Amino acid sequence: DAMVIQNPRYQVTQFGKPVTLSCSQTLNHNVMYWYQQKSSQAPKLLFHYYDKDFNNEADTPDNFQSRRPNTSFCFLDIRSPGLGDTAMYLCATSRGQGQQYFGPGTRLTVL
Amino acid sequence: GEDVEQSLFLSVREGDSSVINCTYTDSSSTYLYWYKQEPGAGLQLLTYIFSNMDMKQDQRLTVLLNKKDKHLSLRIADTQTGDSAIYFCAEIETKAAGNKLTFGGGTRVLVKP
Repeated sequence: DAMVIQNPRYQVTQFGKPVTLSCSQTLNHNVMYWYQQKSSQAPKLLFHYYDKDFNNEADTPDNFQSRRPNTSFCFLDIRSPGLGDTAMYLCATSRGQGQQYFGPGTRLTVL
Repeated sequence: GEDVEQSLFLSVREGDSSVINCTYTDSSSTYLYWYKQEPGAGLQLLTYIFSNMDMKQDQRLTVLLNKKDKHLSLRIADTQTGDSAIYFCAEIETKAAGNKLTFGGGTRVLVKP
């Protein structure tokens, strides 16, 4: 089945230790998004790739970076995680401006 | 700026109807969405409505849209225990490159047997 896959599903890291979250898709969608969802809050868009073009949201901290080596994969890098970065990270894809399809999320805990 | 608001919590008895309400601010949204999130899981698209529609029905789900008041609601008929989850409404901002969903804070629905 075509889908959006996120790995790992759960990740624990230490304060300040870089971490990378992975998202892959078999939908062949050209747009990939990363959302952050803190406990009991709404998902919030961090950034997205439209094809190879990176689009950052104005209030996304510099600590968060992203890479998209090819159409299928997109990575979220947190250079120096803080305790406040503990959250669920959701990846989504779309074809152009169409409907977004979400992955199951990676729950990140920073200790 | 965009701001989407929802009530926090809804308790309903199994078999009754649930109504979840949402207000939004971006009148230019072409679509409005309802997503379901079960504990520890991602977002599942339940249904959506095009902005020039007043109502959309999809099996047990009915979406009502009042553009004048910027009010969106989701009615779940014959609510089941499996409907217990958090429900998010979302408006969409279409950009030149992709689009941006702005979510409400979510309504936690608890279905009691």
